[in-house]
Amino acid sequence: GDSVTQMEGPVTLSEEAFLTINCTYTATGYPSLFWYVQYPGEGLQLLLKATKADDKGSNKGFEATYRKETTSFHLEKGSVQVSDSAVYFCALSPSEDSGSRLTFGEGTQLTVNP
Amino acid sequence: KAGVTQTPRYLIKTRGQQVTLSCSPISGHRSVSWYQQTPGQGLQFLFEYFSETQRNKGNFPGRFSGRQFSNSRSEMNVSTLELGDSALYLCASSLARTSGWADTQYFGPGTRLTVL
Repeated sequence: GDSVTQMEGPVTLSEEAFLTINCTYTATGYPSLFWYVQYPGEGLQLLLKATKADDKGSNKGFEATYRKETTSFHLEKGSVQVSDSAVYFCALSPSEDSGSRLTFGEGTQLTVNP
Repeated sequence: KAGVTQTPRYLIKTRGQQVTLSCSPISGHRSVSWYQQTPGQGLQFLFEYFSETQRNKGNFPGRFSGRQFSNSRSEMNVSTLELGDSALYLCASSLARTSGWADTQYFGPGTRLTVL
């Protein structure tokens, strides 16, 4: 079945450091890929998405590129801020599915210190 | 446009009881999905409703059920509660305009269920 694997956390960085959170997936066909962020006590917010190979999703300084050849969708940000502290989830939605069904990775806790 | 709303936000129940959670999707969204989030199992898909019909189902026991109304609002019911049902239950809605298209899902704040 489909699966998503994220790098183990937690990740602790200093403000303005470079961020990479690795995400790889296993799925048939061409799934859509997503990054969601969860702040303490809240639900999930869509951060960015990509629906086909080589697409780059971007939002709020975060970027991720859909790499079909390496089945990856790594999240990057050039300069993190304290306000980026949250849990980040990589997810996929299968292409052949007739509905909406997300498979999530384990989540990566990010803490950014001033 | 208002986001996805879930009620109640917090709930405390005892083992053996049943509970009903409610979700109102974004206006115009026709699909509602439910997820369970726990520290041990992470985020797991429960089921999806579209046009008042269950379209997808995850791997949960029959104690977990749901329904969708004609206005797309959805309810989730858990009967005979167990301690392991303690979790954050998240609802997500999407447009679902085209069958087979992986629509973006927008999540509500969740309902925190504690089973004692």
